[in-house]
Amino acid sequence: KAGVTQTPRYLIKTRGQQVTLSCSPISGHRSVSWYQQTPGQGLQFLFEYFSETQRNKGNFPGRFSGRQFSNSRSEMNVSTLELGDSALYLCASREYNEQFFGPGTRLTVL
Amino acid sequence: GDSVTQMEGPVTLSEEACLTINCTYTATGYPSLFWYVQYPGEGLQLLLKATKADDKGSNKGFEATYRKETTSFHLEKGSVQVSDSAVYFCALSDLNQFYFGTGTSLTVIP
Repeated sequence: KAGVTQTPRYLIKTRGQQVTLSCSPISGHRSVSWYQQTPGQGLQFLFEYFSETQRNKGNFPGRFSGRQFSNSRSEMNVSTLELGDSALYLCASREYNEQFFGPGTRLTVL
Repeated sequence: GDSVTQMEGPVTLSEEACLTINCTYTATGYPSLFWYVQYPGEGLQLLLKATKADDKGSNKGFEATYRKETTSFHLEKGSVQVSDSAVYFCALSDLNQFYFGTGTSLTVIP
């Protein structure tokens, strides 16, 4: 099976803009989670979607949102970008109690 | 709530040295435990896992034993290689959520 794919791999935006990141899970996986990884804060959980419904949510402001489609692909959106949003955004698909990560999208906010 | 506490890094070792990265956890239920590895520029890869007390996970010469009495899951390798240089994350899965440690950076020098 193909692994988790994320697009784009790299993105540069300016403050105030909005961005949409995409994640395609492993075929057959219905759960997709998103994480933000920064050198200072480590790996922080954003949210998890399962069968198009948000199942869990981390402690992030409402500027961070996501959705999942009927084919289990997921998108996350960040509006009104801030410099502190610069990070590696990781997506993971899940089967039972095991997560499989994509390569991440490196977002730089200038 | 559930949490994972991981040994602070960075850790620098000479090739063929022994490695131990400490990980302890707090959980209300009966979690599964994981070690993930992240190579530069990549997402997280599952290194090994253990799903119940006294289980030993192993892969690529790395081992970790699920110790319920000490709530620990320390990562060990008898002889590290330069190619083991990466960041290592301890994680637990309880019910529907994953919790990650802060990561330990390992550099192995020839």
